[in-house]
Amino acid sequence: SYELTQPPSVSVSPGQTARITCSGDALPKQYAYWYQQKPGQAPVLVIYKDSERPSGIPERFSGSSSGTTVTLTISGVQAEDEADYYCQSADSSVVFGGGTKLTVL
Amino acid sequence: EVQLLESGGGLVQPGGSLRLSCAASGFTFSSYAMSWVRQAPGKGLEWVSAISGSGGSTYYADSVKGRFTISRDNSKNTLYLQMNSLRAEDTAVYYCAKTDRGSYYDPSHGMDVWGQGTTVTVSS
Repeated sequence: SYELTQPPSVSVSPGQTARITCSGDALPKQYAYWYQQKPGQAPVLVIYKDSERPSGIPERFSGSSSGTTVTLTISGVQAEDEADYYCQSADSSVVFGGGTKLTVL
Repeated sequence: EVQLLESGGGLVQPGGSLRLSCAASGFTFSSYAMSWVRQAPGKGLEWVSAISGSGGSTYYADSVKGRFTISRDNSKNTLYLQMNSLRAEDTAVYYCAKTDRGSYYDPSHGMDVWGQGTTVTVSS
């Protein structure tokens, strides 16, 4: 079955740039989406169609795509950005990556 | 305000049944496909099922096919998930989510609104 691969964890200091990657063979042909999930809360869409940002999401969140890898970039990380981040794409059905825990040191 | 509110979770014995509901408000419910996504304790997100805006097309993950049934009542702005033959591995928080565009279901679409989730525990 199709898999999306994310690093289990990423750590950054406040004000630095965090980059979270997601790799999958079908990513050149399918859009990717990114969700932020804080403990005890529902996921929130932060990036759609690889690089579009929904209204209300801070500009420090951006997305990019290159070949079989998509990247979520958080510039000027703040303490409130500490959360789990999931990528989502598709083959014949919806597929989520395993999630990346972002720790703000 | 666009909102989804799940209900119906609880403790059920293996082999039992449960029906989840998701009440939608703040948008034209029938114009959007809807999905159920679950998250087992300490684990990641898993797509479970989806339904088109009209309710005429339904889709299931292999892990629940033949046991779960998704449906919707557009007159009540409510999404349902009937869960039968429940197993311990179905224990999870179940979220309903709105597709970010279109009344037809397409797995390449995202989910832009999520409910707060309802907890299902399958245990004897």
